[in-house]
Amino acid sequence: KAGVTQTPRYLIKTRGQQVTLSCSPISGHRSVSWYQQTPGQGLQFLFEYFSETQRNKGNFPGRFSGRQFSNSRSEMNVSTLELGDSALYLCASSWTSGVFYEQYFGPGTRLTVT
Amino acid sequence: GIQVEQSPPDLILQEGANSTLRCNFSDSVNNLQWFHQNPWGQLINLFYIPSGTKQNGRLSATTVATERYSLLYISSSQTTDSGVYFCAVGTSGSRLTFGEGTQLTVNP
Repeated sequence: KAGVTQTPRYLIKTRGQQVTLSCSPISGHRSVSWYQQTPGQGLQFLFEYFSETQRNKGNFPGRFSGRQFSNSRSEMNVSTLELGDSALYLCASSWTSGVFYEQYFGPGTRLTVT
Repeated sequence: GIQVEQSPPDLILQEGANSTLRCNFSDSVNNLQWFHQNPWGQLINLFYIPSGTKQNGRLSATTVATERYSLLYISSSQTTDSGVYFCAVGTSGSRLTFGEGTQLTVNP
C-alpha cells in the first residue's frame, strides 16, 4: 500500500505571495492532519480534516487554511507569505478521526520564503 | 494544553551501545507514538503505544500511562539509527502534541 504523498517536495516563494500544498493520504484513510516544523517552534499542529470538514484547528493565523476533497486528498493554503512561514510542512493521515488511530506522515514539503 | 518533555535532548553513542530515551507528559493521554525523523525530514513510525510494552527488532518501547511516561530502548545501535526521535501524544481528535525530540548521533 502506498504511503502518504505530498507535493511539491520543495518550494521557494517570495514574501507576500500565496502557496498551495497538496497531500494524498494512504488509500482508505479519511483523516488528514497538517503540521508545521520549524527550528524554533518544533512540530506544531495546524488543522485536521475529516469527511471534508475541519475537525480541529491549531493556533495559527487565518492566513493558513485548508480543505479536503471527497477522495480524502487535502490541500493547505498560506496567503500573504511571511519570512517566518519558511518551514517543513508535514501531512499525516489516519484511518479515521480520533485519538485511537495511528498517524502516518508523508515526506513533507519544504517551503522557503525569501 | 498538555506538555511533552523528552530527555536527553542530545545523545552521542558508539556503534553497538544501548540507549534509553524518555518521554514525560503532563496529562492523561489516549495515544502515544514514537517517530524517527530521517535526514530528509520524514517521520517514520516506530511505535503506537498508549500503554504497555512493544518490541520491534532492536527497538522496544514501554509506556506507563498511570505515571505519565514512556521509554524507547535502542539496543546494539547502528549508524543508521542516527537522527531525531520524537514522542507525540494525543488527547482529543487526531491532534498530536510533540516533544522537542532527542538528537541521536551514533558514531562508527
